[in-house]
Amino acid sequence: GQQLNQSPQSMFIQEGEDVSMNCTSSSIFNTWLWYKQEPGEGPVLLIALYKAGELTSNGRLTAQFGITRKDSFLNISASIPSDVGIYFCAGPNAGNNRKLIWGLGTSLAVNP
Amino acid sequence: KAGVTQTPRYLIKTRGQQVTLSCSPISGHRSVSWYQQTPGQGLQFLFEYFSETQRNKGNFPGRFSGRQFSNSRSEMNVSTLELGDSALYLCASSWDSGIYNEQFFGPGTRLTVL
Repeated sequence: GQQLNQSPQSMFIQEGEDVSMNCTSSSIFNTWLWYKQEPGEGPVLLIALYKAGELTSNGRLTAQFGITRKDSFLNISASIPSDVGIYFCAGPNAGNNRKLIWGLGTSLAVNP
Repeated sequence: KAGVTQTPRYLIKTRGQQVTLSCSPISGHRSVSWYQQTPGQGLQFLFEYFSETQRNKGNFPGRFSGRQFSNSRSEMNVSTLELGDSALYLCASSWDSGIYNEQFFGPGTRLTVL
């Protein structure tokens, strides 16, 4: 079945640094979604990508839909302490696009 | 507008028991999806309900069931609990499925099975 591989698994950075994380799949996705989850909360959608090559920003966050349609990247610039959380990529299942397939997440810690 | 609410927030049960979790969607939303979240498996889709009908189902055993009421509130039930059922159970609501930028998650119910 479809799987999403996220890396790195965790990151510990200094405030002000830029962050990059990625998500890859062995099969093609037509939509890539990036979420953030904070402790005690459900995931919150950050960015949605719908077209190969698409580059979309949301404040300090920028995400790209890979040209091969098998990967996506999320960058956070000038990190701040409130960026702490777990970042997930997700995409609709090819056989049934109402089911989301999720990566295992990248845990981000920011040292102020 | 009130967000998605889930009750209870925390629950401790023992093996063999059953449990019912509740999800109240955002007003006007008719689609409710349920997910199981564990550290090792991440978020796994359980099922989706729309207008009181189950529209999609994930790959979970029959011990996991759900339903949706006419006011769109949804419940999920797990019977004969196993240790491996310990997880955070999340629900998400939207006015229709596949509308990800208008789908919102609740805070989850943390279930611990002893």
